[in-house]
Amino acid sequence: SAVISQKPSRDICQRGTSLTIQCQVDSQVTMMFWYRQQPGQSLTLIATANQGSEATYESGFVIDKFPISRPNLTFSTLTVSNMSPEDSSIYLCSAGRFYNEQFFGPGTRLTVL
Amino acid sequence: GIQVEQSPPDLILQEGANSTLRCNFSDSVNNLQWFHQNPWGQLINLFYIPSGTKQNGRLSATTVATERYSLLYISSSQTTDSGVYFCAVELTGNTGKLIFGQGTTLQVKP
Repeated sequence: SAVISQKPSRDICQRGTSLTIQCQVDSQVTMMFWYRQQPGQSLTLIATANQGSEATYESGFVIDKFPISRPNLTFSTLTVSNMSPEDSSIYLCSAGRFYNEQFFGPGTRLTVL
Repeated sequence: GIQVEQSPPDLILQEGANSTLRCNFSDSVNNLQWFHQNPWGQLINLFYIPSGTKQNGRLSATTVATERYSLLYISSSQTTDSGVYFCAVELTGNTGKLIFGQGTTLQVKP
């Protein structure tokens, strides 16, 4: 299994600002992903964080809004840029190895005023 | 794209009762996972079950990949079982991407 930590655990931000969320895994993993969970909804995949190269974004998500870095096998960041109240969500990172289960971090609860 | 449907959407049980949650998916998948999201938002891994049956204490799961469904059984439910149960399927193609169902919200009353 993998133990995943995220920072910050929660934040309240003003409209128009940006927030960077960090995700740290306790062991080397092949895959890292970022998900969004809007209030009362299920999880939606934002992007695959690729080590040392640009992330792969899902339909409806763009790099200018959600820049992602993954400098090594165990660390990734997601930035939520130019925030609006519609960005208020829980943001979760996940990690795993091919053909194995994925594990999730505790999430970052973001409120945008 | 693939559709993942969970039923029922909501479930209220009396403590001690048993329940079955269902997950249907519309296409072939690499694997399937069941999660429990607790009231604090943490996703807890329950089962990694691409096919067959697994048991862990009061919980068990069965996936019939050829018929594209999975079942999660909860026996002798406890109030701590309350929360949202998600199934998630991994797309074929070795991407690791998980597609989540909409979840089943379970409330267990004392």
